[in-house]
Amino acid sequence: AQSVAQPEDQVNVAEGNPLTVKCTYSVSGNPYLFWYVQYPNRGLQFLLKYITGDNLVKGSYGFEAEFNKSQTSFHLKKPSALVSDSALYFCAVRDMTGPGGFKTIFGAGTRLFVKA
Amino acid sequence: NAGVTQTPKFRVLKTGQSMTLLCAQDMNHEYMYWYRQDPGMGLRLIHYSVGEGTTAKGEVPDGYNVSRLKKQNFLLGLESAAPSQTSVYFCASSPGRTSNTGELFFGEGSRLTVL
Repeated sequence: AQSVAQPEDQVNVAEGNPLTVKCTYSVSGNPYLFWYVQYPNRGLQFLLKYITGDNLVKGSYGFEAEFNKSQTSFHLKKPSALVSDSALYFCAVRDMTGPGGFKTIFGAGTRLFVKA
Repeated sequence: NAGVTQTPKFRVLKTGQSMTLLCAQDMNHEYMYWYRQDPGMGLRLIHYSVGEGTTAKGEVPDGYNVSRLKKQNFLLGLESAAPSQTSVYFCASSPGRTSNTGELFFGEGSRLTVL
């Protein structure tokens, strides 16, 4: 069965420091991998995705993510955190080859807190 | 361009009452989904639809029903609400198989409290 694990409930980082939010996955085949961000009382917003090719993908708001097939990981990174990055981050996988629906499986979420 | 719109945004029900959540999308997407979000559990798929007139069960379908009578609308119904259905519900949509880039488009959420 497909699953996504985000091992940290919360990540705390000082503004200006680099941040990493961890994600590992267990899926068959070659799924698409995603990061979404949720600000308070809002829906999820797409940040970035990995489909194929370069293991380092860049997305919105200066975020990037590194795909590591051998470690089945897809960690979210940013070189310099901003207070405005404080939000709930979800890692997700989507099987784009399975039977209808292309269901997306989400991790439990990691709350990022950036301190000024 | 409104994207995905959910109504109502907030609702309080008593145990046993029924209600319907409406999701409307204006992007001509084939696929639509209902998720529930609970603390520490991420988003769990309730039901989904791959096209007008079709629905299918997700991970946690019990206690919910859905309908997709029009391509742009996806309704989630609770026939007899229970306190365990207190949650935030999210609707999402995406293009169909032939033009899908992978990401989902979400509504703003509907917060339901069952007393």
